[in-house]
Amino acid sequence: QVQLVESGGGLVKPGGSLRLSCAASGFTFSDYYMGWIRQAPGKGLEWVSYISISGDTIYYADSVKGRFTNSRDNAKNSLYLQMNSLRAEDTAVYFCARGIISVGLDYWGQGALVTVSS
Amino acid sequence: DIQMTQSPSSVSASVGDRVAITCRASQYISTYLAWYQQKPGKAPKLLIYAASSLQSGVPSRFSGSGSGTDFTLTISSLQSEDFATYYCQQVNSFPATFGGGSKVEIK
Repeated sequence: QVQLVESGGGLVKPGGSLRLSCAASGFTFSDYYMGWIRQAPGKGLEWVSYISISGDTIYYADSVKGRFTNSRDNAKNSLYLQMNSLRAEDTAVYFCARGIISVGLDYWGQGALVTVSS
Repeated sequence: DIQMTQSPSSVSASVGDRVAITCRASQYISTYLAWYQQKPGKAPKLLIYAASSLQSGVPSRFSGSGSGTDFTLTISSLQSEDFATYYCQQVNSFPATFGGGSKVEIK
């Protein structure tokens, strides 16, 4: 069965960095684009980033552009989100999800909580 | 960027009621729209894609309609397990924006 498991969340000070990982299993990882979506406490869903199958096309939300880097390692069935210059407003649960172009996100991980606070 | 506006933001309903949630895109997106259900503390679940196609395993009481800029998610007969928050997402272009959510609560 399809499984996505995020890790790497935690508490970080403003201006700090954190790297999230998403381990995929149960499907051919290199056949799907992948996305990151976040949800601030008590708020709605915010699309963060998308990465193509080969990793050569990546899009970011304006709110994270220049600070976050999305990447993937198809040999390791893993997705990553490097988050730099973190701000309080980046505090959220971060989900990784499997995507199908023009369809949506059909499988989601359980989420990883990132808290940015001094 | 395409803005997605959902209404209502919350609705109170009883088991057996018919519930409709609307989603409006700020520009034309054809049928590139998905609907998700999220329960507290859980990841979202894909319900509908391509505006009206039911994702595998989703009960047939859920249906989607619309094209262009106006879309509707309908639950024909609300069940206890349907009390949740529902989100639309446009997948026409990036950023693939979400609507603000519609919470279906018990009356």
